[in-house]
Amino acid sequence: DIQLTQSPSFLSASVGDRVTITCRASQGISSYLAWYQQKPRKAPKLLIYVASTLQSGVPSRFSGSGSGTEFTLTISSLQPEDFATYYCQQLNSFPITFGQGTRLEIK
Amino acid sequence: EVQLVESGGGLGQPGGSLRLSCAASGFSASDHHMDWVRQAPGKGLEWVGRTRNKANSYTTEYAASVKGRFTISRDDSKNSLYLQMNSLKTEDTAVYYCVRVEGSTRIDCWGQGTLVTVSS
Repeated sequence: DIQLTQSPSFLSASVGDRVTITCRASQGISSYLAWYQQKPRKAPKLLIYVASTLQSGVPSRFSGSGSGTEFTLTISSLQPEDFATYYCQQLNSFPITFGQGTRLEIK
Repeated sequence: EVQLVESGGGLGQPGGSLRLSCAASGFSASDHHMDWVRQAPGKGLEWVGRTRNKANSYTTEYAASVKGRFTISRDDSKNSLYLQMNSLKTEDTAVYYCVRVEGSTRIDCWGQGTLVTVSS
């Protein structure tokens, strides 16, 4: 199975900050990586797919990069509504797996 | 509007069975791979399984943790899919999401989730 390790697991930041979350895969997954945002008691929401493609309707302050085994999600200027938990997911091979999540909180 | 609505959650006994349903609207589920994803209380996301689209003969894949116990099926006439959960374990307690897979590269639509609690 492909393991995805996100870092950090917890991040405290301020409105206006630039933040980066890393997702490392235990083996190469090409660009078959997606990022999701989840707020408490809500279903996750797709942000980025195939590593760097922004989902329609998602603000341009979100961006993704990487390929192979290392990927990043960057939020260029944090807004109050961005404080949430973020998950990466690999869809390169079965079983599909998710990272453990990164909880982003207000400093 | 593309929408997925799950139902059937509730309390199940260890060793017992539950059947979850997912009604799709705004699109034809038969054209899409459809997955189930679960989230235990306070924990992260766990992929449960997939039913591929009609073009791929609705073949299925499962996570090791549920293989042999859970079965995903569809009813095209109702534009719905199902998750039959047998031999339930306490560790199956979670919110279960029905999701649409787009292009095998992302989950682009999630249901609201249905809570399954396995307890005696």
